[in-house]
Amino acid sequence: SQQGEEDPQALSIQEGENATMNCSYKTSINNLQWYRQNSGRGLVHLILIRSNEREKHSGRLRVTLDTSKKSSSLLITASRAADTASYFCATVGSTLGRLYFGRGTQLTVWP
Amino acid sequence: EPEVTQTPSHQVTQMGQEVILRCVPISNHLYFYWYRQILGQKVEFLVSFYNNEISEKSEIFDDQFSVERPDGSNFTLKIRSTKLEDSAMYFCASWSVRDRGRGYTFGSGTRLTVV
Repeated sequence: SQQGEEDPQALSIQEGENATMNCSYKTSINNLQWYRQNSGRGLVHLILIRSNEREKHSGRLRVTLDTSKKSSSLLITASRAADTASYFCATVGSTLGRLYFGRGTQLTVWP
Repeated sequence: EPEVTQTPSHQVTQMGQEVILRCVPISNHLYFYWYRQILGQKVEFLVSFYNNEISEKSEIFDDQFSVERPDGSNFTLKIRSTKLEDSAMYFCASWSVRDRGRGYTFGSGTRLTVV
């Protein structure tokens, strides 16, 4: 299976702290994407990193990809209570292929 | 920011009934997808659709499921005879080659409850 798996399953931090979530996968990928889901809501795309990229930034988000270890990490800096959500990594084997989601990390940021 | 719209947001149906979940993808997108998320479980791929035909489907997408693009704007998922285990959140997504380097745009989902 190509599915990504996030670690940890749950993360609880204080506002202002950084949050790091990890994702591991099993097969070769075209790209890896991170999504956010607020409770009971839809999935919001955060960032995409291609297999030939090692690091990408978007605002307070930093994503790394290590294809040799088949792993990725999502760092949210200076977290806010509004960042409380579930975060999913999803791998894609080909450009238009299906997304394989992990189980997600539930992030709780306390004010 | 363009959105993918899904209706209804919540549907309750009796086991054995047919349901149609509706999606309005972003207008210039040509690639459409359905995913589902059973409560507490992973988001799972159901089907992808391009050029008026299914391009890929998962093992979940059996004969009781069908998709259709009845007009230029809607994209529907039909479940012919619902089962209790079909209860889930169903997400529609769309994509355009112009979004290469960006992920898919998902709708807010339809929560289907089969009783």
